[in-house]
Formats: sequence, structure tokens, C-alpha cells
Amino acid sequence: GAGVSQSPSNKVTEKGKDVELRCDPISGHTALYWYRQSLGQGLEFLIYFQGNSAPDKSGLPSDRFSAERTGGSVSTLTIQRTQQEDSAVYLCASSLGVSGRARGETQYFGPGTRLLVL
Amino acid sequence: QKEVEQNSGPLSVPEGAIASLNCTYSDRGSQSFFWYRQYSGKSPELIMSIYSNGDKEDGRFTAQLNKASQYVSLLIRDSQPSDSATYLCAVTQGGSEKLVFGKGMKLTVNP
Repeated sequence: GAGVSQSPSNKVTEKGKDVELRCDPISGHTALYWYRQSLGQGLEFLIYFQGNSAPDKSGLPSDRFSAERTGGSVSTLTIQRTQQEDSAVYLCASSLGVSGRARGETQYFGPGTRLLVL
Repeated sequence: QKEVEQNSGPLSVPEGAIASLNCTYSDRGSQSFFWYRQYSGKSPELIMSIYSNGDKEDGRFTAQLNKASQYVSLLIRDSQPSDSATYLCAVTQGGSEKLVFGKGMKLTVNP
């Protein structure tokens, strides 16, 4: 079946502009995660959704970052007033979320969106 | 932030050799452990998951978990050039769904 998809695959923007990144999880997966991977850094957790709720937003680096999920499926990560330090690969992952919980489940990653802020 | 540490590497082994990758974690409440492989420019893909102490084998890959010593390792037997990639250790900490990743170990298998 289809895996996690993300769009756009690449995004170049100017400092100060807003960007929206989209994630379409594997069909039937109720848990969705956003991570960020910067050059030379490991994967950094941003936010976790279970259904349309976000019980863990602890990784969002500032209030310029927000995310939403609608219909228990597609999620959008929005970065307002982008800064050069926001340049990174933004990865989305999903897991089954059995019984409304996702702890310990295998997370399947999408191809990522490469964001470059000039 | 609870930490996951991997040897900085890089690791280079000849084709056919055993590659050994190690990872330590700081949170004793950690419950689930994963090894992901990431080819350059690609997204991580799951290699192994392990939840209990001991060894878990899948083909040429063996994951080893020792919760008392707080380490998890990945052995790759009969290494192939196609195994050349960055290997990421990831841990689900107690009370959380998120994965905490190590910074990765770059493995090169030389023909």
C-alpha cells in the first residue's frame, strides 16, 4: 500500500515568509509525528498527534511553529516568519495508534520536505 | 532531555565482515528500541525493533538489548556495500510516544 507522503519535496523561501508543509500518513494510521533533521544534527521530535489531538507538542522550538491535523488524516506544519535556522529536512511519520495509544509502535517515515530559508 | 548516544564514527569495514553498532540511553524508563537505516538524501527506514532483553535476529541483522546496562546494539553479519548508510538508534522513553534519536553512525562497507 501507499506509504507516508509529504509535500512539497523541496521548498526555498525568503527569511520572514510563512511556509506550510503537508503530510499524508499511511491509511488507517491514527498516530502522526513531525520531526526535524538539521545538517549534522540528529532527528529532533517536534509534535505528536493522536487523531486530531496533539497530546505532545513539547518539541516545537518556538511559537512560530504550529501544526494541525484534520479528519484524523492529513497534517500541516506551519512555520511563520521563517528564519535561516529553520532550514532543515522536515520528516513526518505515522504509526497505527492501536487503541488510541502509540507507545512503542513502529513509526514509518515519509520522504521529507527539504526547507531552505534564504 | 534524556539522551541517546551513539559512537561518533564513521565506521568502515570490509565486505563480508561483521559491523557492530552501539547505542546507550540515559532513561531507565525506556521501553522500546529501534534501529533505522538512512541512506544519504533519503528518509529513515526501520531495520529492527527490540523490546526485551536479549538478542533478536532477522536475517543478517541482530539487535541486542541490555536494559541493566542501558545499551542496545546492532550487528550486521556478512556486511555488503549496500549496507553503507547511516544507522540511527531510537528509543521510546517511558511515558512518551515520541522517538528520541541518537545522532547516527555512518557505516561504509568497502568492496
